[in-house]
Amino acid sequence: ETGVTQTPRHLVMGMTNKKSLKCEQHLGHNAMYWYKQSAKKPLELMFVYSLEERVENNSVPSRFSPECPNSSHLFLHLHTLQPEDSALYLCASSQDWPSGLSTDTQYFGPGTRLTVL
Amino acid sequence: TQLLEQSPQFLSIQEGENLTVYCNSSSVFSSLQWYRQEPGEGPVLLVTVVTGGEVKKLKRLTFQFGDARKDSSLHITAAQTGDTGLYLCAATSGYSTLTFGKGTMLLVSP
Repeated sequence: ETGVTQTPRHLVMGMTNKKSLKCEQHLGHNAMYWYKQSAKKPLELMFVYSLEERVENNSVPSRFSPECPNSSHLFLHLHTLQPEDSALYLCASSQDWPSGLSTDTQYFGPGTRLTVL
Repeated sequence: TQLLEQSPQFLSIQEGENLTVYCNSSSVFSSLQWYRQEPGEGPVLLVTVVTGGEVKKLKRLTFQFGDARKDSSLHITAAQTGDTGLYLCAATSGYSTLTFGKGTMLLVSP
């Protein structure tokens, strides 16, 4: 495996379920990100982890709980979600954060398409 | 909050045509990136521009960063069906994280 992988690719869950999204990067990067992509809205940055520590949390509801056990893995734990949380959830990684380097590249995974019923 | 406006929101053209999409803001950025996202995939970086007035070419794609570093354009010459996808611009100021626009959805038909 190369790059950034995400599982599952598709997830349907009820509002009372608990599920987790997984992201793994094989690039040796130090920073990992969770984004939410909804129709007709810009990508929304949810969380940033640098060297396994959360460095940014953009006012995300507590029903989303991230976990970064090591620099290669990132999880997003979901519980009691709402239908408006249905979206594509993208994971990304970059060499460092904050990079201070305008040319630092974020590499994205293919995303998990989440549907909340 | 930095806001990136992309236009048009949707563009449908025939193979062989030329097109330009735009990314505009009232804020000054230290760098701007263009990504392409194909259906079922995550965004993939196409280019980063950092200098006002900079022009970069990637085969049939030409990227320009405005002189004041507030706007950018992407021009595609002789579009191909493989160019179909969502084109996203994203910008950063100093040490901030990336801010994305909503994107331009491009459909190139045979």
